[in-house]
Amino acid sequence: AQKVTQAQTEISVVEKEDVTLDCVYETRDTTYYLFWYKQPPSGELVFLIRRNSFDEQNEISGRYSWNFQKSTSSFNFTITASQVVDSAVYFCALSMDSSYKLIFGSGTRLLVRP
Amino acid sequence: NAGVTQTPKFRVLKTGQSMTLLCAQDMNHEYMYWYRQDPGMGLRLIHYSVGEGTTAKGEVPDGYNVSRLKKQNFLLGLESAAPSQTSVYFCASKTRNEGAVYNEQFFGPGTRLTVL
Repeated sequence: AQKVTQAQTEISVVEKEDVTLDCVYETRDTTYYLFWYKQPPSGELVFLIRRNSFDEQNEISGRYSWNFQKSTSSFNFTITASQVVDSAVYFCALSMDSSYKLIFGSGTRLLVRP
Repeated sequence: NAGVTQTPKFRVLKTGQSMTLLCAQDMNHEYMYWYRQDPGMGLRLIHYSVGEGTTAKGEVPDGYNVSRLKKQNFLLGLESAAPSQTSVYFCASKTRNEGAVYNEQFFGPGTRLTVL
């Protein structure tokens, strides 16, 4: 079965703290893609990153970084020096067949307090 | 380019009424998807289409029908709305991957549907 688990329902931090959002996935496919999306209070879905199963290199983009570990089936997302504008719901998602449909986790709501 | 648009943005229905949600994309994408988002459950796939004239069931297809008569449009129908279909509906589209290049799904702004 394919599944994405985001065990953290809500996280609250104070501005400038670092925060890590966890994502654990399940799939038997050897080729798959992992994603992170951001959903701000306005409701739209904003694509953040994609990683394919053959590329375990970590990635950094400004204050954002992602740690992909196949050994633990995890694709965690870290925000460094969080800001109030980072407050949103963050979704991890998995795609692994020719339809490219996405399987989403239940999301983690991040609240960054001033 | 407008990207992916959804009509309407909001709708309130009474139980038993029918309606159609329209998704339109102007990017000539082959793949189109309908997801629903419920609190605490993330987005779940209702139906999808890999090309004009083709549709397939997703994870939660019951109570919905879809049609893809034109490549740019993907319609989601509720024949007899139920309160359990109160949700936010997102449409997405995607073009085929080209070799090693993976092309992302583009999401519409969502339709908030309430069934009383």
